[in-house]
Amino acid sequence: EAGVTQSPTHLIKTRGQQATLRCSPISGHTSVYWYQQALGLGLQFLLWYDEGEERNRGNFPPRFSGRQFPNYSSELNVNALELEDSALYLCASSLAGGNYEQYFGPGTRLTVT
Amino acid sequence: DQQVKQNSPSLSVQEGRISILNCDYTNSMFDYFLWYKKYPAEGPTFLISISSIKDKNEDGRFTVFLNKSAKHLSLHIVPSQPGDSAVYFCAALNAGKSTFGDGTTLTVKP
Repeated sequence: EAGVTQSPTHLIKTRGQQATLRCSPISGHTSVYWYQQALGLGLQFLLWYDEGEERNRGNFPPRFSGRQFPNYSSELNVNALELEDSALYLCASSLAGGNYEQYFGPGTRLTVT
Repeated sequence: DQQVKQNSPSLSVQEGRISILNCDYTNSMFDYFLWYKKYPAEGPTFLISISSIKDKNEDGRFTVFLNKSAKHLSLHIVPSQPGDSAVYFCAALNAGKSTFGDGTTLTVKP
């Protein structure tokens, strides 16, 4: 069974640009979560999508947004990139409901210069 | 305010012995807890979970204990193996929102 996949693996952007990161969940999983792991810091919860709806978000500004498509894949958009947005962005998926084991993808390394 | 804390940044044990990783939380609304293992340059790998209505869950060499009154959970690995060397994160969930600890680096020496 295929795991969670993320693309691209690496992304280099300049300050002020927009970044789009993509995630495909494990088959049968309808919930998708996004996390940010900045260098030297722990995983910070960004967003939770379930059945196409945003269910919860962490303490991040509105320029971090996303969506979930009918096939349950998801996109994370980061607008007006700032240098401190440089981080590893991890996507995870789970069964519906929110309180289930989350399975993580390998991440997208975003570098903002 | 860090709601989930792993107070030991690192732990070193001998192969074959028990590894005990600890995690404390402050938010009594958390109702599901998980442990993950992470290798460098990879996403976290799910290890074991426990619901707040239980106090113990076991899966092979891994056992998680939850003490709700103390707001404390622990992960026991018995026996420890060199392949267990990694960073271990505890996470607490409420309404789909996960809060992670900062991790404990476990080193298992042969």
